[in-house]
Amino acid sequence: DAMVIQNPRYQVTQFGKPVTLSCSQTLNHNVMYWYQQKSSQAPKLLFHYYDKDFNNEADTPDNFQSRRPNTSFCFLDIRSPGLGDAAMYLCATSRGDGYEQYFGPGTRLTVT
Amino acid sequence: GENVEQHPSTLSVQEGDSAVIKCTYSDSASNYFPWYKQELGKRPQLIIDIRSNVGEKKDQRIAVTLNKTAKHFSLHITETQPEDSAVYFCAAPNSGNTPLVFGKGTRLSVIA
Repeated sequence: DAMVIQNPRYQVTQFGKPVTLSCSQTLNHNVMYWYQQKSSQAPKLLFHYYDKDFNNEADTPDNFQSRRPNTSFCFLDIRSPGLGDAAMYLCATSRGDGYEQYFGPGTRLTVT
Repeated sequence: GENVEQHPSTLSVQEGDSAVIKCTYSDSASNYFPWYKQELGKRPQLIIDIRSNVGEKKDQRIAVTLNKTAKHFSLHITETQPEDSAVYFCAAPNSGNTPLVFGKGTRLSVIA
C-alpha cells in the first residue's frame, strides 16, 4: 500500500547533466515537501507546496527547481548537478503543517 | 527562525535498558513536536508526536515529554531492543504552523 512513491529509486547522472526526480502520492494531501539528506545528516528542506502555492527555502540552490502539476504529483529538477548535489532526495506529504509527514522511500542521486 | 538542538549525537545502551534523547527549541510559538525514526537506508517514519497542550504522551515502550517553559522535549524508550537501533530525529515547526526544522539526529545502538 504505497502512499508516497518516488521514481527512480536510484539515479546516476553526469556532472552538469539535468535530472528530474518524481514523487506521487495517493493520500490526497495538500502539502508536499522536497528534502535533501546527505549521509548522517538531518533532512534539509528544499521546497514545499501548500496545494499549488510554492515556497522556496532561502538557502536552496538556484539550480534546484520544482513543479507540482496537480495534487498527486511533484517533481524536482536539478538543472546542472554538481558533485555536491549527490544525496538522498526525500519527498514527503502532509495534510498540513502540524500534522504527520509521510515520507517516500527516497531517490539516491549519484553525480559522476 | 526556529533552532532545534538535539543531544546526544550518539547513544549506546544495553538491551533492556532505557534510552533518552533530548531536544531544545527556540521559538515559543512552536506547537507540534514529532519524533522520527530512520533505519539505515530507509525513510524517516513518525514514531510519536506531542502537541503543546499536553506535557506527556506514551505509546507502549515509547514516551515523549514536553516542557514548554524550558522549551525542551524528550524521547524516552524503555526496555530497548536491538530493532530500536536507528537514527532518531526530533523536529519542531519553524514558527507556529510552518514546515518542520529537524534536529541533527541521534544514532542509537542497542547492544544485545
